[in-house]
Amino acid sequence: DAGVIQSPRHEVTEMGQEVTLRCKPISGHDYLFWYRQTMMRGLELLIYFNNNVPIDDSGMPEDRFSAKMPNASFSTLKIQPSEPRDSAVYFCASTPGGDRAQTFGSGTRLTVV
Amino acid sequence: KNEVEQSPQNLTAQEGEFITINCSYSVGISALHWLQQHPGGGIVSLFMLSSGKKKHGRLIATINIQEKHSSLHITASHPRDSAVYICAVRERGAQKLVFGQGTRLTINP
Repeated sequence: DAGVIQSPRHEVTEMGQEVTLRCKPISGHDYLFWYRQTMMRGLELLIYFNNNVPIDDSGMPEDRFSAKMPNASFSTLKIQPSEPRDSAVYFCASTPGGDRAQTFGSGTRLTVV
Repeated sequence: KNEVEQSPQNLTAQEGEFITINCSYSVGISALHWLQQHPGGGIVSLFMLSSGKKKHGRLIATINIQEKHSSLHITASHPRDSAVYICAVRERGAQKLVFGQGTRLTINP
């Protein structure tokens, strides 16, 4: 089992550019979560999916952020246009649900200059 | 007030010392998680508990549901235990986690 796979590991982009982060959950995990981690705010939930359907997107900061899960093995988090305040580490996690723990990916460190 | 509060925010100790990190929460939960994050590293789940106590090696996690409080203990601490420890709760009927701010632990040799 390769775990939760995120790409890229690092992304540096200029303000105003579109950024796409990718996540492949563990096979068989029905839940997928996108988190953002900053020094100021710690870890925050952005959105999560159950069986590819968005369940709670209340943490998505604004319309510049969007997330999709076209199938059970792939999800994207897109920021358009990006701003310097979006600089953070973005984690994806998945779980089978119930009483099972979440498994986190290695994260994508995003820097917007 | 945050739903999940951890203390202390920072902790520095000498190798071999007994370490305690505390977590208090204000909502009804179905489970509490302790996570570990090494500098520049990913997040690893250490424990998930809903009652009582769990032990894994030198790490012990306890929870008191009535008092809405959990502790993470490290016995015979070692420099490799240096990391950020994060408490997170899963509210009843939900799958999402709410996180504490984390405790940065530094163990000096």
